[in-house]
Amino acid sequence: GAGVSQSPSNKVTEKGKDVELRCDPISGHTALYWYRQRLGQGLEFLIYFQGNSAPDKSGLPSDRFSAERTGESVSTLTIQRTQQEDSAVYLCASSPIGGGRGYTFGSGTRLTVV
Amino acid sequence: GESVGLHLPTLSVQEGDNSIINCAYSNSASDYFIWYKQESGKGPQFIIDIRSNMDKRQGQRVTVLLNKTVKHLSLQIAATQPGDSAVYFCAENTASGTYKYIFGTGTRLKVLA
Repeated sequence: GAGVSQSPSNKVTEKGKDVELRCDPISGHTALYWYRQRLGQGLEFLIYFQGNSAPDKSGLPSDRFSAERTGESVSTLTIQRTQQEDSAVYLCASSPIGGGRGYTFGSGTRLTVV
Repeated sequence: GESVGLHLPTLSVQEGDNSIINCAYSNSASDYFIWYKQESGKGPQFIIDIRSNMDKRQGQRVTVLLNKTVKHLSLQIAATQPGDSAVYFCAENTASGTYKYIFGTGTRLKVLA
C-alpha cells in the first residue's frame, strides 16, 4: 500500500481482556517495528522484525505482550489480560532493509483500558 | 522496555523566527541520527537525518547539527511557520548497522502568530 496502515485506529477494552492490534506495512518493506507512546511521552521500542530473522523482542514490557509477523507481511501485536497501564498509542513502522529515511510510521492505534 | 522522557518540554517561538530544538543522545556507538516531526493524532514523520561522519546537514528550511564530543544533536528550523507546530523527536540507532531506533524525550514546538 501507499503507507503503513494500522487497525483499529481506536480501541477501548475492559481490564483483563485480550486485544489484538494489526499493522499492514508498506509493500516490499522487510523490516517492521512496534513502538508504544504513552500520553505526552516519547516512543518506547517494543519489538523489531527483519525479514525471516528472529525478532528483537527486547522491548516487550512483560510476557503479556507478544507479536507475530509472517514473512514480510502483516504483523499483529497481542496484549493479554490488559491493564490500565497498557493504555497508550501503539505505533507501527516499516522500512526497507537499512531503515533510515525509509522508516515510515502508521498513525497508530489508541488503546484505552477501562 | 526502553523508554525516554516524562513530560514534554515546550519551545514557543514567534512566527518567522528561527527555532532551535536540542537533543542529548545516550549512546556513543550511535552512528545514525534522525529527526522526526509528530503532529497531533499522527505518527512521526521523517524530517532529516545525519550520519556520524558529518557534523552538519541541511534540508529545506531545516538544518541538523551533530556534536559527537558532547553527544548533542540539534534541529534548526528557519522562518518558523504555524505548520511547524508539532512535537519533534530525535532518534539514534545505538550501534552501527542496527535499525532499532531509540527516541529522545521529544520537544513540543508552539508557533505564536
